[in-house]
Formats: sequence, C-alpha cells, structure tokens
Amino acid sequence: GAGVSQSPSNKVTEKGKDVELRCDPISGHTALYWYRQSLGQGLEFLIYFQGNSAPDKSGLPSDRFSAERTGGSVSTLTIQRTQQEDSAVYLCASSLALAGRSLEQYFGPGTRLTVT
Amino acid sequence: LAKTTQPISMDSYEGQEVNITCSHNNIATNDYITWYQQFPSQGPRFIIQGYKTKVTNEVASLFIPADRKSSTLSLPRVSLSDTAVYYCLVGDVGTGFQKLVFGTGTRLLVSP
Repeated sequence: GAGVSQSPSNKVTEKGKDVELRCDPISGHTALYWYRQSLGQGLEFLIYFQGNSAPDKSGLPSDRFSAERTGGSVSTLTIQRTQQEDSAVYLCASSLALAGRSLEQYFGPGTRLTVT
Repeated sequence: LAKTTQPISMDSYEGQEVNITCSHNNIATNDYITWYQQFPSQGPRFIIQGYKTKVTNEVASLFIPADRKSSTLSLPRVSLSDTAVYYCLVGDVGTGFQKLVFGTGTRLLVSP
C-alpha cells in the first residue's frame, strides 16, 4: 500500500513569493499532522487535522502560514510572502486515530523548502 | 507546553545494548509515550509506544516508571544500521492532544 506522499520534494523560491506544499496521507487515516524541521534541528509541530478540522492553529509560526484539508484527505500548507527563515524541511504525517489514542504516525519524505 | 529532554548524543558499539532516556515531567494523564527513529533525509519512523510499565516489540523495549515522568528506550544488540536520531514524543499537557512535542532528539552513533 502507498505511504504518505508529499510534493514537491524540493522547492526553491524567492523571498516574498508564496508557496504551497501538498500532503497525501495514507488512505483511511483520519488524522494528519504538519511539522517543520530546520537543518540539524528537531521536529517542530505546526498543526494537526482530525478530518477536515484543525482545532488549534496556534502552532503555526506566523499568520503567513495557513493549512487546509479537504475531503478528509489531501492537505495543503501554504506559506505567504516567504522569508529566509522559512527554509526547512516540511514533514507531513498521518495516523489512524486521534493523537493521544494512537501516536503511531506515518511520515512522508518531506518537502525541502529553500528561500533565496 | 509539555517539555521533553533527551541526551544530545550517545556512542555505542555493535552488539551492545543501548538505553536512551527521555524526561517529560509534565506528562498528562492520558498521554502516551512514543519513540521514533530518523535517518538523514527521511521522515521519522515509529519504533514503539507505551503508557506505563514495560512494552516490548521485535525491535525495542520501552520502560516507563510509575510516575511516568521519564521513559527509557532500550535497543538490544545494536548494529551499524541503528545509527540514527531517536526522538521521544508525548502529547502536550496544555492543550490535550492538539499539540505534539517531540524531544530534542538523541543522535546515536554505533561503531564497529
């Protein structure tokens, strides 16, 4: 079966441009998570969806970041007016159940974003 | 915000047992503890999950004391391919399960 997929795998953009990162979770996984990992650093939690709903968006670094999920499946993370500090690997994960009931998340390969 | 602390790095040799401890003083009653392994340029991969006492699977054991303020991942007889970064994950105390706090990660280096 297919795992979590993310696209693009690499994205280079100019400062000030908008970017969209896509995540396709494992079919049937109701929970979806976005993380950010800067070079050589740990994972920073950004946002979590249960179905199409994101109960708490306070993990997003700034109001330039937004995320949506439609049809309980594909999710898009959008970064507006990108800044150099946004450069990182953006990881998506999905799981069968609510975090706390089952934290066994399946991660995608990530999108490496470079802002020049 | 729940805070987790792990050693930054550990060194071991092939065939030895490795124990990596994560401190999570503010763990909430309903939080599970989960450990992940990450290789360079890959997303993390699930290793093991537990709530209390001891859990064992085919690759690792997880020891959680009664107060649940720490947990120890035990890797028996490590090999070179176990060289990776290991993260512990617990739910966030402040907001229930809606924020997930990974530990700082422990870089394990296994030598021949």
